[in-house]
Amino acid sequence: EDQVTQSPEALRLQEGESSSLNCSYTVSGLRGLFWYRQDPGKGPEFLFTLYSAGEEKEKERLKATLTKKESFLHITAPKPEDSATYLCAVQARGGSEKLVFGKGTKLTVNP
Amino acid sequence: DAGITQSPRHKVTETGTPVTLRCHQTENHRYMYWYRQDPGHGLRLIHYSYGVKDTDKGEVSDGYSVSRSKTEDFLLTLESATSSQTSVYFCAIRGARGNNNEQFFGPGTRLTVL
Repeated sequence: EDQVTQSPEALRLQEGESSSLNCSYTVSGLRGLFWYRQDPGKGPEFLFTLYSAGEEKEKERLKATLTKKESFLHITAPKPEDSATYLCAVQARGGSEKLVFGKGTKLTVNP
Repeated sequence: DAGITQSPRHKVTETGTPVTLRCHQTENHRYMYWYRQDPGHGLRLIHYSYGVKDTDKGEVSDGYSVSRSKTEDFLLTLESATSSQTSVYFCAIRGARGNNNEQFFGPGTRLTVL
């Protein structure tokens, strides 16, 4: 069964304090790994797709990396507006339309 | 903005009543999805559609049905709502920008079944 585990469940940072969020996954052949950001009361907002081990994607203060077992979302010098819940999801090969989501990491960045 | 709207945005209903949620997209995407999000769980796929009148079940489809009579609209129906269906429901479309594997989500519908 495909599974995604995100850690930590919650993370508090001071503004400017860099850190990483972890997404560990097991999947029967990875088609893609997705990162989303979700603000309270809103739908998930797409951030990145990663397809193969060694791939990296960047957007502003965020950088996502992928290995064969996990993905990291690195946040460099975060700002309070980066506070949100970050979701990781995987999609298996073989024509499945299902995204398997983790429970998310709630990030709070204090000024 | 992925051009997705959901209606209603909030609904309170009673156990045993039928409920229909609507997802509307403006960008002519072929694939549309319904997910539910509950505390302690990740988002879970209920049903999806790969074209007009073409639908398939997701991992938590019991108690739900869907219909897609037009490309732009995907309806989720709870034939007889139960308290376990209290949740936040998200519609998604599979994007056509760049690689088309990404799913883009609507704003959600908060449903409370009393």
